[in-house]
Amino acid sequence: AQSVTQPDIHITVSEGASLELRCNYSYGATPYLFWYVQSPGQGLQLLLKYFSGDTLVQGIKGFEAEFKRSQSSFNLRKPSVHWSDAAEYFCAVGAYSGGFKTIFGAGTRLFVKA
Amino acid sequence: DAMVIQNPRYQVTQFGKPVTLSCSQTLNHNVMYWYQQKSSQAPKLLFHYYDKDFNNEADTPDNFQSRRPNTSFCFLDIRSPGLGDAAMYLCATSLTSGRDTQYFGPGTRLTVL
Repeated sequence: AQSVTQPDIHITVSEGASLELRCNYSYGATPYLFWYVQSPGQGLQLLLKYFSGDTLVQGIKGFEAEFKRSQSSFNLRKPSVHWSDAAEYFCAVGAYSGGFKTIFGAGTRLFVKA
Repeated sequence: DAMVIQNPRYQVTQFGKPVTLSCSQTLNHNVMYWYQQKSSQAPKLLFHYYDKDFNNEADTPDNFQSRRPNTSFCFLDIRSPGLGDAAMYLCATSLTSGRDTQYFGPGTRLTVL
């Protein structure tokens, strides 16, 4: 069965600094990988997803993520963080197992300081 | 324009008193999902509908039921809420499968007294 680990419960970065959120997955084959963001009081919104092809994926709001099969990782990056990026970020892995299943990680809360 | 709407946003119920949460969508998507999200935890899938086909997760308690009377609406019924059922309940939709982007509603925060 697939699983997702987000090692960092919370991260604090300064506005304008770069950001990297870590995600490791466990799955035997090539998984479908997603990053979602959840702002306070709102539902989850898809930032980007990876199914196949180029391992560097561009998403919305200036985010990108890189799939590294050798490390079973799908880390999310942004070169310059804005205060509005403060939110909870969820990595998710999907695979076909008696139907398509999506498993979410526990999330990383991002704090942005001025 | 809201695409996935959940009502109410906040629901307070008493221990053991049945409660129904509502979700509607304007996307005309085939798949609708219900997730339970407890504080500082990952969203956990309870069940989903592919059109009218109901798919229950193996570890979803029998206390949780769902109805989808038409494409646009889906309901989550909790027959006898316990204190452990207090959580955020998220509704989501996708076009045809989990590979497609899931669109989430803002959630209903359930408090059990």
